[in-house]
Amino acid sequence: GQSLEQPSEVTAVEGAIVQINCTYQTSGFYGLSWYQQHDGGAPTFLSYNALDGLEETGRFSSFLSRSDSYGYLLLQELQMKDSASYFCAGADSWGKFQFGAGTQVVVTP
Amino acid sequence: NAGVTQTPKFRVLKTGQSMTLLCAQDMNHEYMYWYRQDPGMGLRLIHYSVGEGTTAKGEVPDGYNVSRLKKQNFLLGLESAAPSQTSVYFCASSYGAGYNEQFFGPGTRLTVL
Repeated sequence: GQSLEQPSEVTAVEGAIVQINCTYQTSGFYGLSWYQQHDGGAPTFLSYNALDGLEETGRFSSFLSRSDSYGYLLLQELQMKDSASYFCAGADSWGKFQFGAGTQVVVTP
Repeated sequence: NAGVTQTPKFRVLKTGQSMTLLCAQDMNHEYMYWYRQDPGMGLRLIHYSVGEGTTAKGEVPDGYNVSRLKKQNFLLGLESAAPSQTSVYFCASSYGAGYNEQFFGPGTRLTVL
């Protein structure tokens, strides 16, 4: 099985940078994904890391270190619309998926 | 393309009643998933399917059954609903295994009294 730990809440001001950490314990780990979910909405895919290193997609970047069982999502130039919950999710090679409990990001003016 | 759709959007059941939630996708995806999300929590995998005619148990399968008779549809059944099954249910699909991008439906809000 898998377990993923992430902080419950992060608060930051507009324009700032926020890093959401995710540590995992897993068997058969294949890769780490990140999803965003606004209140009342469905999760939407942000990024995926299969290999160690940094993946950049616009203002969002994601990092993975397999040796440390650790990853993070970096949100740059924060905007009010970035206020949402962010989930890390681990996949195993059989297609089974597990989500962390989520990090609530609160962006203040 | 409609993407992933779920029926119904809302439902209220009494304890012991049964119901089926329908998920449909028009992206020709092989993998489909059913999750439940409780307040303040992440998504927990109930059952999933890696192709037509296949199903597998996830993290919290008890009290639920699924079927994947057609590639585009994935049904979630509750045979005898319990208040503990009050939750928001999300269906998702992906082209390949879970490490690929999952596309989520809008969710079904279920209340069991």
